[in-house]
Amino acid sequence: QVHLQQWGAGLLKPSETLSLTCAVYGGAFSDYYWTWIRQPPGKGLEWIGKVNHSGSTNYNPSLKSRVTISVDTSRNQFSLKLTSVTAADTAVYYCAREGGPYYYDSGGYYGFDYWGQGTLVTVSS
Amino acid sequence: SSELTQDPAVSVALGQTVRITCQGDSLRNYYANWYQQKPGQAPVLVIYGKKNRPSGIPDRFSGSSSGNTASLTITGAQAEDEADYYCSSRDSSDNHHWVFGGGTKLTVL
Repeated sequence: QVHLQQWGAGLLKPSETLSLTCAVYGGAFSDYYWTWIRQPPGKGLEWIGKVNHSGSTNYNPSLKSRVTISVDTSRNQFSLKLTSVTAADTAVYYCAREGGPYYYDSGGYYGFDYWGQGTLVTVSS
Repeated sequence: SSELTQDPAVSVALGQTVRITCQGDSLRNYYANWYQQKPGQAPVLVIYGKKNRPSGIPDRFSGSSSGNTASLTITGAQAEDEADYYCSSRDSSDNHHWVFGGGTKLTVL
């Protein structure tokens, strides 16, 4: 069974950098894309970006200039950094696995099949 | 980027059938997936690849898709099905990216 456990700072001031890490337990870490998704309070889900074990990344164009997703294959972990945060970045941030092997384009067949517990990040002065 | 459109809210009487829809051009080329989210919890995948249920998801949940519209049907809705439901698919403007629908709040009466 696959389990994702995430952590990071929950309270930031405007202009600071958000930093979250997600550890993956079980499954084949190197076979998948690993994803960050966020949800502002009372609102819907927003895809932030993804990374695979070789460090190949894709980012939401609306966040691309501020986002970095990295991977540590020795620890089966991946991380999110979001710079210059504002109140608009206040959200619950989730890590998740994009199902299906990354090296085969399934057209999104498998969806996001495993999720972390979520971390509420609040940006306030 | 692509957009997926969902009705903000839907209600169903206990034990009846309800359909939740998701519309968007990306659904013509990419699979729809559906997630259930209860308050304070992470989303749970309930339908993948348009119509498949992950292990552990009750068979009262089913999915279908035609053209630019995907549907999630709950046959015999239970009180525990009251939740927010989100669709997702790849983004047709860049198929490495993903988009989500705005979500549908399902109320079971």
